[in-house]
Amino acid sequence: QSVLTQPPSVSGAPGQRVTISCTGSSSDIGAGYDVQWYQQFPGTAPKVLIYGNNNRPSGVPDRFSGSKSGTSASLAITGLQAEDEADYYCQSHDRSLSVVFGGGTKLTVL
Amino acid sequence: QLQLQESGSGLVRPSQTLSLTCAVSGGSIRSGGYSWAWIRQPPGKGLEWIGHISQSGNTYYNPSLKGRVTISIERSRTQLSLNLTSVTAADTAVYYCARGSPNWFDPWGQGTLVTVSS
Repeated sequence: QSVLTQPPSVSGAPGQRVTISCTGSSSDIGAGYDVQWYQQFPGTAPKVLIYGNNNRPSGVPDRFSGSKSGTSASLAITGLQAEDEADYYCQSHDRSLSVVFGGGTKLTVL
Repeated sequence: QLQLQESGSGLVRPSQTLSLTCAVSGGSIRSGGYSWAWIRQPPGKGLEWIGHISQSGNTYYNPSLKGRVTISIERSRTQLSLNLTSVTAADTAVYYCARGSPNWFDPWGQGTLVTVSS
């Protein structure tokens, strides 16, 4: 069982906006640790999408954005495209400096 | 461009030791203040942090692995190593190495599947 809780799946039609939640606790996200988001396509390694709660690495479209509040974080994807269909994972740290991941969310583009 | 490549035995017998290496190219494993991590993903499941080693050599491990894991840097060969002892079927997974920057992981290796079976 993952420390951070994500919905197993979300879906949306092309062009729509979807959000993926990541819920932690006062021991991890709520303790002030940054949240990262990764995108993973089948058979490939994850790739960082958002770091430091709301920062995009070079090359990541601005359709992707991150936010954090209290013990939770969210990834928003606007203008949904077929190529966004993938698994998404959130990641943070806890007070023991262990790295914690969410269980992952499968995004389906209808 | 930094690239990471995992290698090692793809089949390990139960109770034996899983050993993997991660070759770093296009950059130095010894500079930049980065950490170097191992992360695994059981088939069809999510990501699990195994541990990481800092530039200064400090190691941090997932408590759930209960002292079975050792991560080290073979500096003379610019390789990252992972040893996981007393493996069971639950250790079957794709194993990734990744650079920690330091709070996020980028880039990742392509991953290597390790199956624990007799």
